[in-house]
Amino acid sequence: GAVVSQHPSWVICKSGTSVKIECRSLDFQATTMFWYRQFPKQSLMLMATSNEGSKATYEQGVEKDKFLINHASLTLSTLTVTSAHPEDSSFYICSARAGDSSAFFGQGTRLTVV
Amino acid sequence: GQNIDQPTEMTATEGAIVQINCTYQTSGFNGLFWYQQHAGEAPTFLSYNVLDGLEEKGRFSSFLSRSKGYSYLLLKELQMKDSASYLCAVLDSNYQLIWGAGTKLIIKP
Repeated sequence: GAVVSQHPSWVICKSGTSVKIECRSLDFQATTMFWYRQFPKQSLMLMATSNEGSKATYEQGVEKDKFLINHASLTLSTLTVTSAHPEDSSFYICSARAGDSSAFFGQGTRLTVV
Repeated sequence: GQNIDQPTEMTATEGAIVQINCTYQTSGFNGLFWYQQHAGEAPTFLSYNVLDGLEEKGRFSSFLSRSKGYSYLLLKELQMKDSASYLCAVLDSNYQLIWGAGTKLIIKP
């Protein structure tokens, strides 16, 4: 099946710094990419949806100035957590879809802010 | 509003069969997905239904009834490694994935 690569798998950063997470579709062109956050013992929470070449659509309650999403090409989307704080520590997952096909998920990134 | 319901938790015995139900009310419908998620890992794709009927894939089958807003995931010959959360998600008219909260499946020997 299609492969979506997410990098890094885990990252530790200091409070106040910014962290960038990459999501790449390796063998298909991803017209749409989704970014999720998973809270402990809960299901995935969709943060935003991005279509290549346009601004991301953020879900209610998600700060777009804090979670910057860029989808500049059909194979790469990035999520930048700006001025990270300990409460931003979480598991972030991207998924990518080509047209109406199934969405394929990245491996996830565990972010720890200290 | 948009809503997807599935049981919070189910328990089954190794070697048995279990059916996980999912009902949905969404603004439009462009397909229903089932994902499996083990603790600490990203979800993995199991199935995609867009037409009514049963899709069989090995030990896993997924059924869809669009008129009833209903789907189920059927797992046969349960193995201990099937212990995981199973997520139902619907692609709505805007091609957004609407997620259920997931069903935690516990397999007992």
